[in-house]
Amino acid sequence: EAQVTQNPRYLITVTGKKLTVTCSQNMNHEYMSWYRQDPGLGLRQIYYSMNVEVTDKGDVPEGYKVSRKEKRNFPLILESPSPNQTSLYFCASSSTSVAGAYNEQFFGPGTRLTVL
Amino acid sequence: GQQVMQIPQYQHVQEGEDFTTYCNSSTTLSNIQWYKQRPGGHPVFLIQLVKSGEVKKQKRLTFQFGEAKKNSSLHITATQTTDVGTYFCAGRSDYKLSFGAGTTVTVRA
Repeated sequence: EAQVTQNPRYLITVTGKKLTVTCSQNMNHEYMSWYRQDPGLGLRQIYYSMNVEVTDKGDVPEGYKVSRKEKRNFPLILESPSPNQTSLYFCASSSTSVAGAYNEQFFGPGTRLTVL
Repeated sequence: GQQVMQIPQYQHVQEGEDFTTYCNSSTTLSNIQWYKQRPGGHPVFLIQLVKSGEVKKQKRLTFQFGEAKKNSSLHITATQTTDVGTYFCAGRSDYKLSFGAGTTVTVRA
C-alpha cells in the first residue's frame, strides 16, 4: 500500500530534550516536506527536500533540522525543543512531472508533539 | 514572502445549501492545489489547477483558478454531512507550497 508513515504519532517531552520524528514514504517520491499545523494558522512549511541531499528552508525553519540521506526517509530533528514547538506535525511527499512540476502531496498521519 | 489568504475561516451550512471558500495569493502562482482534512485526520488531495481561468468539477465540487493566477475558489453545491472538514488551498510558487489557513465547514442536518 502506497503510504507515508510517521513515528511517533504522539510524543510528550520536556524542554531541551533532543528528539527526532521519522518520516518514510514507499512511493519513490523525489519531493518531501514537513509542516506544522496550529489552530487558525493552517499548515506552515518547515523544511522541504527536492531530492536526496537537497534540502531547503520553508516558512518556519527556526528550531528544526532535517536530513535527506535516502530517498524514502526525511527525519525532522528538534535539537532543543521549546514549548512554542508544541504542535501537530505532518510529513508529506510528492512525485514530479516530466515538466518538473510537483504533483499532489501525500500526507502522513501526523505527529502530535507536546513540549512541557 | 508569498502569502496565501483563505476566507472564510469558518462556514456553518445548512444541509442542502451551497457555499464557497476563497483563496487569494499575494504573488502569481504556478499552480494551486486543494486539500480536505476530516476532523482528526490528515490533509487529502482533492485537485490541482494549473491554467489561467481553469475550472474543474468533481461531482458537487467546482474549483476555479483566476485569470491572473492569484486567486481560486471552491464551490460546493447541495452540502451533505460528508462535506464536514477543513478545506485548504495551497499555492505553489517556485518550489515552495504555501497553504491558506483553511475553511472549517460544519453542517446542520
